[in-house]
Amino acid sequence: NAGVTQTPKFQVLKTGQSMTLQCAQDMNHNSMYWYRQDPGMGLRLIYYSASEGTTDKGEVPNGYNVSRLNKREFSLRLESAAPSQTSVYFCASIKGDVAKNIQYFGAGTRLSVL
Amino acid sequence: SQKIEQNSEALNIQEGKTATLTCNYTNYSPAYLQWYRQDPGRGPVFLLLIRENEKEKRKERLKVTFDTTLKQSLFHITASQPADSATYLCALDETGGFKTIFGAGTRLFVKA
Repeated sequence: NAGVTQTPKFQVLKTGQSMTLQCAQDMNHNSMYWYRQDPGMGLRLIYYSASEGTTDKGEVPNGYNVSRLNKREFSLRLESAAPSQTSVYFCASIKGDVAKNIQYFGAGTRLSVL
Repeated sequence: SQKIEQNSEALNIQEGKTATLTCNYTNYSPAYLQWYRQDPGRGPVFLLLIRENEKEKRKERLKVTFDTTLKQSLFHITASQPADSATYLCALDETGGFKTIFGAGTRLFVKA
């Protein structure tokens, strides 16, 4: 039981390049999330998917797009990377029901944009 | 404006002492509040959840309190150990929401 798996773990991009961050969960969770974490700012929500087939913007969606490919997978795409998108990106999924919004996180993707 | 605040300064304590971390919030009405632990280079890991109608929750050496009047949660680690050294994040959820709001975290160092 792997939980939440993110790939890649590290990535260096040049300004203007594009890339997709992958996330998959094997816990049969309905909701999935993408956050970025910057020093001193905590986790900020980029996009989330409350259920398969739906996606919604979070606090900082500009410059990103997402795809909920199926119940297991939720990808984050940077179409034209900018230095301001240098950050650590975390994917999370939610158990739901009585446990409500307890979040299960992946190990993160460390992205540098030069 | 809405804010969730944790001490930005690191907390240094001696092994065996009780560590107390603070989480304050403004202009939120949380249905419940959560605490997570994050080690360097890793994702956050859930520790405890406390609901708005609960005053206190315990799990082994961990204790969380929730005061909706003061708009504050306190997180205690008793008999602290060097292995407890990590960053601790608080997070809140409002009723009916899909979004969890995270604080920036407090770094805890426990010295042997």
